[in-house]
Formats: sequence, C-alpha cells, structure tokens
Amino acid sequence: DSGVTQTPKHLITATGQRVTLRCSPRSGDLSVYWYQQSLDQGLQFLIHYYNGEERAKGNILERFSAQQFPDLHSELNLSSLELGDSALYFCASSGAASYNSPLHFGNGTRLTVT
Amino acid sequence: DAKTTQPPSMDCAEGRAANLPCNHSTISGNEYVYWYRQIHSQGPQYIIHGLKNNETNEMASLIITEDRKSSTLILPHATLRDTAVYYCIVRAIMDSNYQLIWGAGTKLIIKP
Repeated sequence: DSGVTQTPKHLITATGQRVTLRCSPRSGDLSVYWYQQSLDQGLQFLIHYYNGEERAKGNILERFSAQQFPDLHSELNLSSLELGDSALYFCASSGAASYNSPLHFGNGTRLTVT
Repeated sequence: DAKTTQPPSMDCAEGRAANLPCNHSTISGNEYVYWYRQIHSQGPQYIIHGLKNNETNEMASLIITEDRKSSTLILPHATLRDTAVYYCIVRAIMDSNYQLIWGAGTKLIIKP
C-alpha cells in the first residue's frame, strides 16, 4: 500500500460528459502529480502541484484541469469527454519537489468513455 | 522522449536472480536513475533509485556503471509475484521541475 488513495476506482461515462477524479496524497506529502496511461502505453505526465500551486504542465489537454486544495488533496477534472480519453489515470505524491524524492503512486482510476 | 533504453522482455526462473539492464547514455551529472515496476494495471511501485553509487534496499539492488551510462536492477531471488513491467527512468530537469520520463519498460516474466 503506497498510502496514496484515488477515487473512484472505475468510472464509466458517455462522450461529452464531465467527470472529476480525486486523489489523497500520502500523509505529509506536498507534491501531487497526475499521469495518464492509455491501453498498452507508457505513462504520460499531465500536471504537477506543490502545496497548492501548479508547478509544471505536461501533455494535458485544455479540456482537462486540476487543482490542489489546502488539505493537499487534488482533483483532476475532465470535460467534453471523447472516446480517446478512456485510460487509467494515476495520481502520485512525493515529499518534496526535488529529484531525490521518489514518487508514490495510487492504484488509479480506470475511465471508460462510451 | 524517454532517455533510457531497455529490452522489451526478459524471462527468469523462479528463485534465480533477475538482472534487468538499462542504458542511459545521455544522463547528466545531477540526474538520478529510478526504477519502478507495474504489476498488471496497478499503480507503478517505486523500487529503488541512485545517482552514482550502488544502492541496495529490501526489494532490490541497483548497480550503476562508473561512467553512469548504464545500470542494472537486480532482484536477488525472483518469485512469481515479481512478474511485471519494469521501468528504468532518468529523472530529468524540465522547466525547473524534475519529471519522470517513462519509456516502454521491460516485461519480466518469472517462470516456475
């Protein structure tokens, strides 16, 4: 158990809809990262928050947004969903925004868009 | 683009040591080598990381060559539960942030 909690585990929705994925980091971790993993693909970095502030953006679509709240949990909002958005979405947390701090991943949310 | 090169797949007999190679010939002086694994579609699991010295923890050992252009992850006594995709990652500096750039990994199959 990594200590990172993601909800829901599974989500099935229709094209055009909007969903919110939630992540609770490990206790004490200030950094939260979001990744997308499509079928049989590697992980694609979406966005990084540190203590409530956005630190870096990766390949995140304009239809997607995220935020990190004062209690350090984070939400990833996906809107105007398309079939191609079906994927596993992982959240990870770390204790610091440094290159010597391992990321610890949750078990993901599997999103299916029909 | 991934900064590492790994074989796409490997087999290992249960109870033997599994040695997973990784090439990272363009690694910079302050970039760490990280290893993660992903079992089926679970979240990636952190294994170990290092800069230039060899590292060992309860899961594995990491051997980094002196020129830092390659490394080897060693699982000393592989079990069936070690079957997974193993990712060797260089944690690179991008836009003043340190991001993990994921490649395709090595699919390790442990055989009874």
